Amino acid sequence: GEDVEQSLFLSVREGDSSVINCTYTDSSSTYLYWYKQEPGAGLQLLTYIFSNMDMKQDQRLTVLLNKKDKHLSLRIADTQTGDSAIYFCAPQKGGATNKLIFGTGTLLAVQP
Amino acid sequence: DTAVSQTPKYLVTQMGNDKSIKCEQNLGHDTMYWYKQDSKKFLKIMFSYNNKELIINETVPNRFSPKSPDKAHLNLHINSLELGDSAVYFCASSQDWPSGGSFTDTQYFGPGTRLTVL
Repeated sequence: GEDVEQSLFLSVREGDSSVINCTYTDSSSTYLYWYKQEPGAGLQLLTYIFSNMDMKQDQRLTVLLNKKDKHLSLRIADTQTGDSAIYFCAPQKGGATNKLIFGTGTLLAVQP
Repeated sequence: DTAVSQTPKYLVTQMGNDKSIKCEQNLGHDTMYWYKQDSKKFLKIMFSYNNKELIINETVPNRFSPKSPDKAHLNLHINSLELGDSAVYFCASSQDWPSGGSFTDTQYFGPGTRLTVL
């Protein structure tokens, strides 16, 4: 079946790095996305990584992919209070459907 | 210049009523989606349309009927609303549909419609 797991909550201090982890079961996932949802808002695409890459860096964001272990992580450097939100991992299901399987979401709380 | 818009933003209604949520995208995309986010923030796809044709239809009660009058619009009609339908419904769109191979197509989400059934 399709399963995407994330830890529910992460608390960090402003200026520290945050690491949000995700494990998934569908080994045919080709692209893996990270979305951010601020309170009362929609989902904002943060970044994505292709399955033949190990790492992708985009300003303060670093995505690491361990395809063998089916583990994805999102590192946010110099975390700010504005980064407080729910972060969703969303591997794209492989094959001929463009279907995202969303994780349970991780609530990131940034303490000043 | 909103990319994906939904109306209404909030919808409060009584059990048993019929309601519709509208979605429009001005990105020129061919594919549109409806997602449901429950109270625990769990997000799951309900439907997907490509060029007005239904592609994905997850296990959703047939009280839910999507309608795509054109590529830029995908509306969600819900009959006989139940308490369990209370959730936030998100519309999304992506540029294209895969032609048999693996590809990426980023999905852009609307702001959501919070439906409360009393």
